[in-house]
Amino acid sequence: EPEVTQTPSHQVTQMGQEVILRCVPISNHLYFYWYRQILGQKVEFLVSFYNNEISEKSEIFDDQFSVERPDGSNFTLKIRSTKLEDSAMYFCASSGGSATSYEQYFGPGTRLTVT
Amino acid sequence: GESVGLHLPTLSVQEGDNSIINCAYSNSASDYFIWYKQESGKGPQFIIDIRSNMDKRQGQRVTVLLNKTVKHLSLQIAATQPGDSAVYFCAEILDNYGQNFVFGPGTRLSVLP
Repeated sequence: EPEVTQTPSHQVTQMGQEVILRCVPISNHLYFYWYRQILGQKVEFLVSFYNNEISEKSEIFDDQFSVERPDGSNFTLKIRSTKLEDSAMYFCASSGGSATSYEQYFGPGTRLTVT
Repeated sequence: GESVGLHLPTLSVQEGDNSIINCAYSNSASDYFIWYKQESGKGPQFIIDIRSNMDKRQGQRVTVLLNKTVKHLSLQIAATQPGDSAVYFCAEILDNYGQNFVFGPGTRLSVLP
């Protein structure tokens, strides 16, 4: 069964450093998403991406964040200058964009720890 | 602001019993709702969805009920099994494009032997 993959599984970085989280969505999907989940809290929407551009973003997704689909398979989230409060699980998801279902497939997540 | 919330943070049930997990939403314009299951160390997994033009939808061992009058969503799991132990989230879509999901805080379901 196709699945979304994410690397690395755990990333430790120092405050102020740049990090890139990587995702490989399901190959025939059209919509891509990033979410984050701070420990013990709910999943929060960050950004959605379609047709090589951001289609929607939340208030969390400020100028420190960017997304890119550098080739036909990868989807990345970059945090330019990490802050302590960026520590969280980051989930990538993709969906096929069906008119009748918004079923999203989530990856296993990357745990980001900012020290 | 608009939000999706859950009545109970934890729920313990005996194996074999039925489970009911509840969710309240505040955006009456939301058109689509999803229940997700999240096991420890994993990403959310789609369970079942429902559109606002329906009040009930059934899947394998799961049923979602939608009461638009009181803006309430529930997930019923029949014959709960140990593998059902997880955190369950409801989510609503706030727009017509399926882009902006708002998740509830989650309910932890523990299945007792």
